[in-house]
Amino acid sequence: DVKVTQSSRYLVKRTGEKVFLECVQDMDHENMFWYRQDPGLGLRLIYFSYDVKMKEKGDIPEGYSVSREKKERFSLILESASTNQTSMYLCASSSRRPPWEQYFGPGTRLTVT
Amino acid sequence: KQEVTQIPAALSVPEGENLVLNCSFTDSAIYNLQWFRQDPGKGLTSLLLIQSSQREQTSGRLNASLDKSSGRSTLYIAASQPGDSATYLCAAYTGTASKLTFGTGTRLQVTL
Repeated sequence: DVKVTQSSRYLVKRTGEKVFLECVQDMDHENMFWYRQDPGLGLRLIYFSYDVKMKEKGDIPEGYSVSREKKERFSLILESASTNQTSMYLCASSSRRPPWEQYFGPGTRLTVT
Repeated sequence: KQEVTQIPAALSVPEGENLVLNCSFTDSAIYNLQWFRQDPGKGLTSLLLIQSSQREQTSGRLNASLDKSSGRSTLYIAASQPGDSATYLCAAYTGTASKLTFGTGTRLQVTL
């Protein structure tokens, strides 16, 4: 059974802190993605990665960075957390081959105070 | 740029009704279209994925159709149950094949 796990379900951080969100997949997928989800705005792509050490900006990369040192692990980094980064963060992975179906993790609800 | 719209934003139906959720997209050059279910505070659960060469997919009480030429997809739920209450999201694979564009969802409530 396919599985994507995220390091925390709930996280509370203070403004200015450095925050790491981690995602691990066990399907040997090449592609991994980070999204954020906000009411009324839907899911928006932050960053994605096609391979180890490869990364590309999505639609809203400002204030975020990513790291992919191993194929199974994709980390989202908030260098200096701000209150407008309070959101639900979702990680996904997919194969490089068709039909490219994305599998999602359970999400991390991040609150920045 | 692909845009995906879901109407209505919210829907309430009595148990047992058949219902249709709508999804429209602006760029017909899609690879696949996927329907997801999301329960409050939870991640996304994939329901059905329709590849561009297919017109529909079925799983149990769910049937999803895809009409690329008109830019529309529908999710049909037969004999709705209270456990079907959730937000339903559609998403289109376009451009670089692995990237998804999501609609904002339809929040479904099935009442007893």
